[in-house]
Amino acid sequence: IVMTQSPATLSVSPGERATLSCRASQSVNSDLAWYQQKPGQAPRLLIYGTSTRATGISARFSGSGSGTVFTLTISSLQSEDFAVYYCHQYYSGPPYTFGQGTKLEIK
Amino acid sequence: QVQLQQWGAGLLKPSETLSLTCAVSGESLSGYFWTWIRQSPGKGLEWIAEINHSGKTNYNPALKSRVIVSVDTSKKQVSLNLTTVTAADTAVYYCARGGSSLDPWGQGILVTVSS
Repeated sequence: IVMTQSPATLSVSPGERATLSCRASQSVNSDLAWYQQKPGQAPRLLIYGTSTRATGISARFSGSGSGTVFTLTISSLQSEDFAVYYCHQYYSGPPYTFGQGTKLEIK
Repeated sequence: QVQLQQWGAGLLKPSETLSLTCAVSGESLSGYFWTWIRQSPGKGLEWIAEINHSGKTNYNPALKSRVIVSVDTSKKQVSLNLTTVTAADTAVYYCARGGSSLDPWGQGILVTVSS
């Protein structure tokens, strides 16, 4: 299953909302996760099961979608939110596949 | 709190074997698959393989012929071996608790293949 994220880069001002998209080449049901990665660090799980926040993740992060189209929304962006975000399907595999990432940068 | 600590050689020559180990603390190996993932600039994040406490494995078909994953339950460690490496295997290699979503991740090991 090919995962395609858009846009590749998103420029947003602090305090505004960011909407990141992920599309699967075929249905992944709700088996979709989102990760945040900062430079020099391992990815960190934000959302699993399309919309369930991982332990300790701020309510500013929300996920939605089903089937082939998914969205990660970050409300009221904080400085620590600027990073690269990856979607990951674990519905069909191996291999379980990742999107190529969206870089969220400060506008 | 689950923590994964990785180690292994970071510089290899072409045709050598990559060997990495991931030690799990704060959690039993049982009930989960333990997954290896790599990240390279050219290919992004790539799922490599997974293993559970009883030794059941799943492999990425693209790498299956060169990958062996193993588990040592007494030491709570999982290991990755990738044979006959080339420059294309240069990447940061991560272990993670998996089976579905991946959480948490180890710190990652940069493995460079160069003559």
